[in-house]
Formats: sequence, C-alpha cells, structure tokens
Amino acid sequence: DAGITQSPRHKVTETGTPVTLRCHQTENHRYMYWYRQDPGHGLRLIHYSYGVKDTDKGEVSDGYSVSRSKTEDFLLTLESATSSQTSVYFCAISEGGEDGNTEAFFGQGTRLTVV
Amino acid sequence: AQSVTQLGSHVSVSEGALVLLRCNYSSSVPPYLFWYVQYPNQGLQLLLKYTSAATLVKGINGFEAEFKKSETSFHLTKPSAHMSDAAEYFCAVSDFPGNTPLVFGKGTRLSVIA
Repeated sequence: DAGITQSPRHKVTETGTPVTLRCHQTENHRYMYWYRQDPGHGLRLIHYSYGVKDTDKGEVSDGYSVSRSKTEDFLLTLESATSSQTSVYFCAISEGGEDGNTEAFFGQGTRLTVV
Repeated sequence: AQSVTQLGSHVSVSEGALVLLRCNYSSSVPPYLFWYVQYPNQGLQLLLKYTSAATLVKGINGFEAEFKKSETSFHLTKPSAHMSDAAEYFCAVSDFPGNTPLVFGKGTRLSVIA
C-alpha cells in the first residue's frame, strides 16, 4: 500500500470553526490532491499541488485553502466550516510523468461532520 | 475539459453472472483512463488503467476493460461475479498523465446476489 496517512480520520466540528486536515506521504510523489466524496457526486477535486508551494484550485475550491510547505505534507483548511462541508475527504498522490505511472493512490479518508 | 459518465448508479447481478459497468468519457486529447474500486469505509484502490498501449486492459480480481475510441467508452467487465465484488466502482479520466488531476464519474454501486 502507498504510504499515505490522513489525520484525523474522524472529526465533528461546529459551524463557523476553522478545521485543518492533514495528509502525509512517504512516497516522495510530486503530486498531491484533496477530493471530497458525497453521495451522488462521486469524487470532486478541491485543490491539488504539483510541488512544494505550488497549488491550484479544483472544481469545488470555495471555502477551502491548502498549503504544501514540504513534499510530504499537504494541508487542507476549512476557514469557517459550514454544514455543506460535511463530507468524506480523501487525499491522493501520484508520481506524474509520461511513463504510465500516472495513477493516483488514495488515503483512507477523513469523515468530517459539521454541526 | 474532460468528463466521465457512468451509466447506472446501481447495478445488481447474481453470483456467477457477468458484470458489466459502463463508462463513457469526453476528452479533447487522447485520454488516460482508470477504474477504481471502493469497499465500505475504505479508500479507493486501482483496478486497472489504460495508457494508450493495448486497448484491452486486464486488472486485478479478474476484471478487464476495453478502450473503444469510436464509442468513447471504457466499460468494465468480469465474466463471473463473486460476492466479494460488491463495492462501489469509479471510472476516471486524465488528459495528460500526472499533469492534470483525475476527473471521476459519479460511481456505480455493484450488488451481488447469492
């Protein structure tokens, strides 16, 4: 299994509070991603990173920010949590490149409930 | 922009029957295509991938998928369903390998009936 650790695995928080989710990898992969999974929507990209301090927005980035100060860590922050951000959040990594090693490897997910 | 459509949010088959999960993609350039499986309360696991080599791709657990450019399809099949195949399956597409994030379909939940 790819070395990806998400923390926390479960969190309940109150509306309006800031929340930070952490993704840590031991594979030294260049690319890291945050997706959210909701019933009927599949997985939707929030933000991704293509290197240290290099990030870009995904399809559903409003209300989220990210930071990547080290290759191995990618943080997702909800500045002020809302009930619509209740979801399961997945971190993924990929090596990138043109040699076929393009698949993404996923963490176990973080279940976030905003009450 | 690329997109993926999975036909059928829920498919139910009998144990031993053929499994067919449908995926159609939209991409302006030759795509890279993937199928992932998700078991309850777990992350996604790669089943197989198409990266412009052979059009028939074999994956883990007896699954395979065929890339058909003329139909823009990448359907997933397994000749004989097993109870352990019950899970959610996601098709995903990427335009340029590693440089653009995967875009996922909405998923198909497979139930296997004894």
